[in-house]
Amino acid sequence: AQTVTQSQPEMSVQEAETVTLSCTYDTSESDYYLFWYKQPPSRQMILVIRQEAYKQQNATENRFSVNFQKAAKSFSLKISDSQLGDAAMYFCAYSDPTASKLTFGTGTRLQVTL
Amino acid sequence: GAVVSQHPSWVICKSGTSVKIECRSLDFQATTMFWYRQFPKQSLMLMATSNEGSKATYEQGVEKDKFLINHASLTLSTLTVTSAHPEDSSFYICSAKEGLRNYGYTFGSGTRLTVV
Repeated sequence: AQTVTQSQPEMSVQEAETVTLSCTYDTSESDYYLFWYKQPPSRQMILVIRQEAYKQQNATENRFSVNFQKAAKSFSLKISDSQLGDAAMYFCAYSDPTASKLTFGTGTRLQVTL
Repeated sequence: GAVVSQHPSWVICKSGTSVKIECRSLDFQATTMFWYRQFPKQSLMLMATSNEGSKATYEQGVEKDKFLINHASLTLSTLTVTSAHPEDSSFYICSAKEGLRNYGYTFGSGTRLTVV
């Protein structure tokens, strides 16, 4: 079974600085999808960024980018120029090619300080 | 973008009664919908996967008779918590996947259930 591990329960970053959230996963598949979701205090799950395993290029969405290391099964999220609104729980998630379901990590709570 | 509407956003019910939660895809047809449960400060736990017109597939340990899922149309899935007890109090979230694409799963805003 696939597993997703987020080893950082909490992280803190100063406003305008950069922070990296870690995620590792375990799978025997060669083709799959990886996601980062944000859950603010409202608890609405928001898609931050998505990566397809067969694409070597790291995905980027404005201030958010990933470092996808397929061989190492690592999928970290970098947030640049952090803003107060970035404070939230961040979940890393895995989906297989059939997209039958998402497997979530345990989450990282990000605090943004002034 | 794709929108999933979930209602109610919160509900309080008496122990022993049943509660129905609705999940609607507003601007796309959702062939597959998922129901999650989230305890405070924890991750999302998948309860079941529902496909339109067929029986839901429940995860191990989830009681099928307690958590009834109906996916009667391509835009609506419902979760009914039957004979609710205080231990069923939790945050329930639905999500939907549009067709066979894997551009991401769209989530509803969640339902906070409190059983008293």
